[in-house]
Amino acid sequence: QQQVKQSPQSLIVQKGGISIINCAYENTAFDYFPWYQQFPGKGPALLIAIRPDVSEKKEGRFTISFNKSAKQFSLHIMDSQPGDSATYFCAAASQGGSEKLVFGKGTKLTVNP
Amino acid sequence: KAGVTQTPRYLIKTRGQQVTLSCSPISGHRSVSWYQQTPGQGLQFLFEYFSETQRNKGNFPGRFSGRQFSNSRSEMNVSTLELGDSALYLCASSLYAFEEYFGPGTRLTVL
Repeated sequence: QQQVKQSPQSLIVQKGGISIINCAYENTAFDYFPWYQQFPGKGPALLIAIRPDVSEKKEGRFTISFNKSAKQFSLHIMDSQPGDSATYFCAAASQGGSEKLVFGKGTKLTVNP
Repeated sequence: KAGVTQTPRYLIKTRGQQVTLSCSPISGHRSVSWYQQTPGQGLQFLFEYFSETQRNKGNFPGRFSGRQFSNSRSEMNVSTLELGDSALYLCASSLYAFEEYFGPGTRLTVL
């Protein structure tokens, strides 16, 4: 059973456009939701994270939107650049959970110049 | 501050062999976690160590084991390798709760 479902699997956006990646979860005990960015040959890098007590968090061009009642959260990349082309992973965690972080399957983002 | 380092970066083994991977966390980080990344299953949590004690364990067979030393460095071991163990093994360290910082990974190929 996939605890965190991520969509789409792949996304192509034009330079300057908005990239939107969505994740949904079932476990209401999750209380930490990070997003990671991974370039080929590199490990995932923490981009931005949110806790359920806020509905939105913004850092530069990256924004997380969180909908607790729908058990969904999303990553918005504003003014997408070719350098943003990477695989993005959402994840979730809970205090007392058996797994440290539970990851979505990833979204491969391509930003065309 | 130096990031998480992992050695070796690449490894080729044959079925039935065992392998040990090493991880040095970010200075001051006492928690070290290991993850397996494959195209089919994605990123899956293996186990976490904190102050030399295993704190959490994912759903992997007992062939996968790990340990942490007093300087927070960690090793993971896989015994009796299977073809399906071919993957990128990622080590992550954290100072605060779930804020994981990943190393570049060790690419293991089992022939």
